[in-house]
Amino acid sequence: GEDVEQSLFLSVREGDSSVINCTYTDSSSTYLYWYKQEPGAGLQLLTYIFSNMDMKQDQRLTVLLNKKDKHLSLRIADTQTGDSAIYFCAESLGGSQGNLIFGKGTKLSVKP
Amino acid sequence: GAVVSQHPSWVICKSGTSVKIECRSLDFQATTMFWYRQFPKQSLMLMATSNEGSKATYEQGVEKDKFLINHASLTLSTLTVTSAHPEDSSFYICSARLTETQYFGPGTRLLVL
Repeated sequence: GEDVEQSLFLSVREGDSSVINCTYTDSSSTYLYWYKQEPGAGLQLLTYIFSNMDMKQDQRLTVLLNKKDKHLSLRIADTQTGDSAIYFCAESLGGSQGNLIFGKGTKLSVKP
Repeated sequence: GAVVSQHPSWVICKSGTSVKIECRSLDFQATTMFWYRQFPKQSLMLMATSNEGSKATYEQGVEKDKFLINHASLTLSTLTVTSAHPEDSSFYICSARLTETQYFGPGTRLLVL
């Protein structure tokens, strides 16, 4: 079945770059997403990439997609303490409903 | 744009009572909304897909008679937890679909005593 894997923890220093990695299994995924969740809150859409793209950049965020290896990464440049949160990778199964399969989330800790 | 709200944000109820949670898309219309459940330090578990004007599609293992979903308009879906028990205590999050993207509400924390 479909599966999305992420490492559970990442710790970086303020000002450094953070790279959060994700692998997925469904080669027919149409879109891949990154969501951010702060404690006690819902999910905030950060960015997403269409499966025929290799890279997408949006201000401090860069998404890289290696479709051959089914590998997705999110790079956060100049990481700030406000970036501390859990980051979820998700793939869309396509179809009329657009259901998402989520990874378990990567907890990013930013140390001053 | 693409704002989704949930109400209430917090609810505490006694065992055996029913609780209704509302999910609204504030600035767009959503034919499809989703209901998720999230346990502490875990990922989101899809409970059901709610389509406006039709019956919800429930995921395997989710009791449709216990978790009643109504999607009566293009901006509102409701989840009613009937005869709630302590094991139903959780964080419930909804999302609304706009084109290829799901936008999430802030979540509702339910505590059943």
